Amino acid sequence: QQQVKQSPQSLIVQKGGISIINCAYENTAFDYFPWYQQFPGKGPALLIAIRPDVSEKKEGRFTISFNKSAKQFSLHIMDSQPGDSATYFCAASNPARGSNFGNEKLTFGTGTRLTIIP
Amino acid sequence: NAGVTQTPKFQVLKTGQSMTLQCAQDMNHEYMSWYRQDPGMGLRLIHYSVGAGITDQGEVPNGYNVSRSTTEDFPLRLLSAAPSQTSVYFCASSRQTGIYVTEAFFGQGTRLTVV
Repeated sequence: QQQVKQSPQSLIVQKGGISIINCAYENTAFDYFPWYQQFPGKGPALLIAIRPDVSEKKEGRFTISFNKSAKQFSLHIMDSQPGDSATYFCAASNPARGSNFGNEKLTFGTGTRLTIIP
Repeated sequence: NAGVTQTPKFQVLKTGQSMTLQCAQDMNHEYMSWYRQDPGMGLRLIHYSVGAGITDQGEVPNGYNVSRSTTEDFPLRLLSAAPSQTSVYFCASSRQTGIYVTEAFFGQGTRLTVV
């Protein structure tokens, strides 16, 4: 059972356009929602993250929108560039037993392959 | 500063063979984890550790063992390889990088094929 559902599976956006990737979760114990970016042949890397006490977080061209009541969150990439072409994973975490911080145990979505065309 | 180092990068096993995927980090992180990545499935947590001597199961632990004798190393053992274990395996270590912000640092991955 997929606890974090991600859509679309693939996305093609023209350079300069807005890329939007959506995720929905079921487990109300999740309290941390990061997005990871993965280039071919590499491991994922943290892009941006949000906690449920805010509805939006922006870092440069990347914005997370969060809707706690709907249990949904999304990634918006403004002015999309060819260098943004990668696979994007949303994730959610609930506390790991014995952890000092509680946000390391990640449940990932299935990924979105984003392609930015000139 | 090497970060998270995984070895080997590629491996082909025959069904029934055993092997150990190595993972080492030099960032002194307490939390480490193993994921497998399969097409259309995203990354799924196999096992994790919150410190030396402490390990726990993730979402898909069957067929895998882990141990954590030191902070730096977190090897993943395949007991008797099966074709269903063909996947790309990622090791990660995590730390708090800001207020309520936790970042997982992933290795480059090990691509395992079981024939």
